[in-house]
Amino acid sequence: DTGVSQDPRHKITKRGQNVTFRCDPISEHNRLYWYRQTLGQGPEFLTYFQNEAQLEKSRLLSDRFSAERPKGSFSTLEIQRTEQGDSAMYLCASSLSVGAVLTGELFFGEGSRLTVL
Amino acid sequence: GESVGLHLPTLSVQEGDNSIINCAYSNSASDYFIWYKQESGKGPQFIIDIRSNMDKRQGQRVTVLLNKTVKHLSLQIAATQPGDSAVYFCAGNNDMRFGAGTRLTVKP
Repeated sequence: DTGVSQDPRHKITKRGQNVTFRCDPISEHNRLYWYRQTLGQGPEFLTYFQNEAQLEKSRLLSDRFSAERPKGSFSTLEIQRTEQGDSAMYLCASSLSVGAVLTGELFFGEGSRLTVL
Repeated sequence: GESVGLHLPTLSVQEGDNSIINCAYSNSASDYFIWYKQESGKGPQFIIDIRSNMDKRQGQRVTVLLNKTVKHLSLQIAATQPGDSAVYFCAGNNDMRFGAGTRLTVKP
C-alpha cells in the first residue's frame, strides 16, 4: 500500500464553479478525515467518517461543502459555488480505530491545493 | 474549540544545536500524544508518540517529554539539521484538532 492518495494535487478554478476532491485512504483504515489548511495555519478539522458513516462535521463545513464515503473506502469532498476564501490546501488523513478509540496516528495525504480565481 | 496549542509560533536555531518545541493541551482524555512534522508542500507526518502513562520517550534524535500535571508536551531534537526545518504539531489520539504549530527554521 502506498499510503493516502489525493487527487487532484492542484486545482485552479473560477469563482462560482464546483470542484470535487478525492481521497483514497490506506486500505485497512476505517477512519477518514478531511482538513483544510491555509498558509501559516495548522490543519483545520472539517469532518470525519468511520467506515461510511459521517460522524462529525465542523461548523467550518458550510452548506456549500459536502463529503461522502459511500462504501467506506474512498471519499470525495465537493465544494459548490466556490469562493475565493475557499482557496486552501485540502488534506485527507486516515487512521485505524477500535470503536471510538483511535489506535494509531493519522496518516496524511499530500493534499489537494485549491486556488479560486 | 481546539484542545491543543503551541507556546511559540516560530523557532530559529543554528545547525547542530538542540531544539525544544513546546505544546500545551487541555483534553486529558487522550491515551497518547503524537508529534507530527509538516514540510513545505506536504501533509503532516508522524514523528513520535508517547503514552499518557509515560513521562519520556526517546527516538533516534528526538525525545518527547510529557508533564501531565501542567498538561504540557515538549519535543526535543538533538543536533538539529537543515532537514528538520518544518512546522511541528502535537495532537492527542482522541483529538482531531490541531493548533497552529511551531515553525522550526534551522540556520546553516
